[in-house]
Amino acid sequence: GQSLEQPSEVTAVEGAIVQINCTYQTSGFYGLSWYQQHDGGAPTFLSYNALDGLEETGRFSSFLSRSDSYGYLLLQELQMKDSASYFCAVRDRGNTPLVFGKGTRLSVIA
Amino acid sequence: GAVVSQHPSRVICKSGTSVKIECRSLDFQATTMFWYRQFPKQSLMLMATSNEGSKATYEQGVEKDKFLINHASLTLSTLTVTSAHPEDSSFYICSARGLRYPFHEQYFGPGTRLTVT
Repeated sequence: GQSLEQPSEVTAVEGAIVQINCTYQTSGFYGLSWYQQHDGGAPTFLSYNALDGLEETGRFSSFLSRSDSYGYLLLQELQMKDSASYFCAVRDRGNTPLVFGKGTRLSVIA
Repeated sequence: GAVVSQHPSRVICKSGTSVKIECRSLDFQATTMFWYRQFPKQSLMLMATSNEGSKATYEQGVEKDKFLINHASLTLSTLTVTSAHPEDSSFYICSARGLRYPFHEQYFGPGTRLTVT
């Protein structure tokens, strides 16, 4: 099976940078994904890392180290609208479903 | 592209009744659909995986006779919560994967909030 660990809550100031870490244990590994979910909404895809290194998409970046079974999501220039829950997720093979971490609730304050 | 819809978005039903939730892939063929359940302030928990034309595979602890899943076509899967009870109140989210690149990617529906009174 798979298990993922991420902090339950993070608070950061508008305009700042925040990093949300995720460590995972999985029998196989087919990439680490990140999703954002606002209250009452469905998860929306943010990023996917299959290989080691940093992937950048606008204000959001995601990093993966397969040897450390570790990844993080980096959010820059935080905005109030970034207040949401962020989930890391893995699958152990390409045709298996995503398994989600417990989520990190990010609160952006003025 | 890769749009998944769910209907209804919200439903309130009385205890003991059954509720059907539809999940549709609007612009692609979904060979596999996944059903997740999410309780407030918790993570998404996988309930079952269904492949078109096959019986669903349920995760441990999920009652297959209570949560009936049908994936009769490449664009439609349904989840029926039978004899619903208040503890079944939750946010149900479907996710679809199809024959489009990247082939592993799952696309999520907007979710259905079920309240059982």
